Amino acid sequence: DIQMTQSPSSLSASVGDRVTITCRASQGIGDDLGWYQQKPGKAPKRLVYTASILQSGVPSRFSGSGYGTHFTLTISSLQPEDLATYYCLQHSRYPYTFGQGTKLEIK
Amino acid sequence: EVQVVESGGGLVQPGGSLRLSCAGSGFPFSDHYLDWIRQAPGKGLEWVARSRDRTRGHTIEYAASVAGRFIISRDNSQNSVYLQMSSLKTEDTAVYYCTRSTYGSGNFDSWGQGTLVTVSS
Repeated sequence: DIQMTQSPSSLSASVGDRVTITCRASQGIGDDLGWYQQKPGKAPKRLVYTASILQSGVPSRFSGSGYGTHFTLTISSLQPEDLATYYCLQHSRYPYTFGQGTKLEIK
Repeated sequence: EVQVVESGGGLVQPGGSLRLSCAGSGFPFSDHYLDWIRQAPGKGLEWVARSRDRTRGHTIEYAASVAGRFIISRDNSQNSVYLQMSSLKTEDTAVYYCTRSTYGSGNFDSWGQGTLVTVSS
C-alpha cells in the first residue's frame, strides 16, 4: 500500500498567517492527489483535486501544488473559519490511502 | 443540488451483520463512482469500497480489511448504493460516509453526513 505522511500533525497559527501543510507519498503517484477539509463534527469536504485544481466554490486563499511524492496545501491568509483537520488522499493505486491528518488551530 | 444521504447505522454485536444504504439525488446516478469511506472515533479516514460507473461496468474494489466480509452493491433504478457488512468486528466501529466521484475529475467530490456503526457486545 502507498503510505501518505502529512506534516505537521498539528499546527497553531494566527488569522492572516500563511499556512503550509505537506504530504509525502511513499512512492510516486503523479498528480493523483486530493486535499480534504473536515470541520469539527462534520463530513469532509474536497478542497483540491489532481494536486492543484481548486474545487468550485472553495476560496482562492487555498491552493495545492506538487507532483510525484511531494505535495503541499497552502492557505495564503488564514481565516477563523479555516479551523479544521486537513487530509491528503492518494488515488493512484488501490487501496486509496489518506494521510493521518493535520489539525489546524487558530491562535 | 448534488446530495448523498446515508442510513442504516446502529448498534450490532460482534459477528453480526448490518446493511447501510445511500440514496443519491441531483445527478445521473449510474454515471458516477460511489464509494464508502469510514472514520473510527477520533481517528482518520479509511477508504472501504468502490462501485465504478456504468461505463466501467460498475466493477468493484475493496480494502483488504473488509474484503470477504463486506459487499458493495448498487440499484441504479433506486439511485442507491448499499454496503452489506457481515462478520462485524469491534474495529469496524466507525462513521461510514457515502461519497460520489466522477471519472477524470479526482475523487470524493460529494460526501454524505455519515452514519454511525457501533460494534459492541
